[in-house]
Amino acid sequence: QVRLQESGPGLVKPSQTLSLTCSVSGDSISSGGYYWTWIRQPPGKGLEWIGYIYYSGNTHYNPSLKSRLSISEDTSKNQFSLKLTSVTAADTAVYYCAAPKRGFSYGYVYWGQGTPVTVSS
Amino acid sequence: EVVLTQSPGTLSLSPGERASLSCRTSQSVSSSYLAWYQQKPGQAPRFLMYAASSRATGVPDRFSGSGSGTDFNLTISRLEPEDFAVYYCHQYGYSPYTFGQGTKLAIK
Repeated sequence: QVRLQESGPGLVKPSQTLSLTCSVSGDSISSGGYYWTWIRQPPGKGLEWIGYIYYSGNTHYNPSLKSRLSISEDTSKNQFSLKLTSVTAADTAVYYCAAPKRGFSYGYVYWGQGTPVTVSS
Repeated sequence: EVVLTQSPGTLSLSPGERASLSCRTSQSVSSSYLAWYQQKPGQAPRFLMYAASSRATGVPDRFSGSGSGTDFNLTISRLEPEDFAVYYCHQYGYSPYTFGQGTKLAIK
């Protein structure tokens, strides 16, 4: 059973870089076949798909965030990460890492508990 | 991007009643690429349905999905107390993948 756990700062200043990590247990990131995904949810609002990393470093991003976004993986730590530059208050949200079953690109069955991030000076 | 519009925004029903939730997409989406999620307060979403009408593992058969083209529905045949939550539809046929704004299923 794959388990996901987000970590990172809960408060980021405007114009700075938001960095979050998702620790994976129950399977190895390097085993392949997973679409390791980030999704966020602004307070009181719906879900926004951010992007994913799969098959040894290939990435796919939401075009609305692409110029500021980077998703990477660290196989030695069995983690994948999100970096979002030049943040504004609009980036305030609960950030989830998620993944479908191995071999599927859809159907997020595995979720972290979510980590709230506030962008404020 | 494909916009998903869910209705109603809030649906107030009693346990035992039937719930019908709607999801309309701004352009035709293959039914193969339409999913539903359930979210309870303070929790991550839970995967319910994929390919519009296929239940995910462990989802009770009181949940059913239907639809095609631009109109999709999630039906809960007989509401249980644990079904009161927010429901999101999600399309994964076009990038960027998008979600609806949610329908809150509230206890009447």
